[in-house]
Amino acid sequence: GDSVTQMEGPVTLSEEAFLTINCTYTATGYPSLFWYVQYPGEGLQLLLKATKADDKGSNKGFEATYRKETTSFHLEKGSVQVSDSAVYFCALIQPLNTGTASKLTFGTGTRLQVTL
Amino acid sequence: GAVVSQHPSWVICKSGTSVKIECRSLDFQATTMFWYRQFPKQSLMLMATSNEGSKATYEQGVEKDKFLINHASLTLSTLTVTSAHPEDSSFYICSAREIWTGSNYGYTFGSGTRLTVV
Repeated sequence: GDSVTQMEGPVTLSEEAFLTINCTYTATGYPSLFWYVQYPGEGLQLLLKATKADDKGSNKGFEATYRKETTSFHLEKGSVQVSDSAVYFCALIQPLNTGTASKLTFGTGTRLQVTL
Repeated sequence: GAVVSQHPSWVICKSGTSVKIECRSLDFQATTMFWYRQFPKQSLMLMATSNEGSKATYEQGVEKDKFLINHASLTLSTLTVTSAHPEDSSFYICSAREIWTGSNYGYTFGSGTRLTVV
């Protein structure tokens, strides 16, 4: 079955440092890929997405490129802020078939802690 | 954008009682909603898929008699934890997706419910 592997955390960075959180996947076909962010005590928010190979998702300074050749979707940000401290989840979903709703497959999450 | 409202955000109940958690899609219709459970510092575990007008589909190992799911309308799904015990204490999150043919967007999540059973 489908699976998502994320680098283990926690990741601790100083403010303005460069961030990379690795994510690789195993799946058949052409899934869509997502990064979700969870702030303390809250649900998940969609951060960015990519629906096909070579697509780059971006939002709030975060970027991730759908690399089919390496089955990866690494999350990057050039300069992190304290407010970026959260747990980040990589996820995938198979294409929607008419009349059905596919399940999200999540990675285990990576906790990011940004300090001053 | 799509909004999913989950209520309550936190609840404390006595062991042996039941607790109901509501999940509403506010500006779209969701024929399918999902219920997750999240343990501290862990990923989300899918508990069940809630289908409007039909029985929920439970994941392996999830007790359907303990976690009752009802999807009464296109905008409301409820999770009832029956005869709760301290080991049921957890963070429960729902999610929903508007069914559009060909759509490939991610799901919208509720803000979660922190359940503490004492």
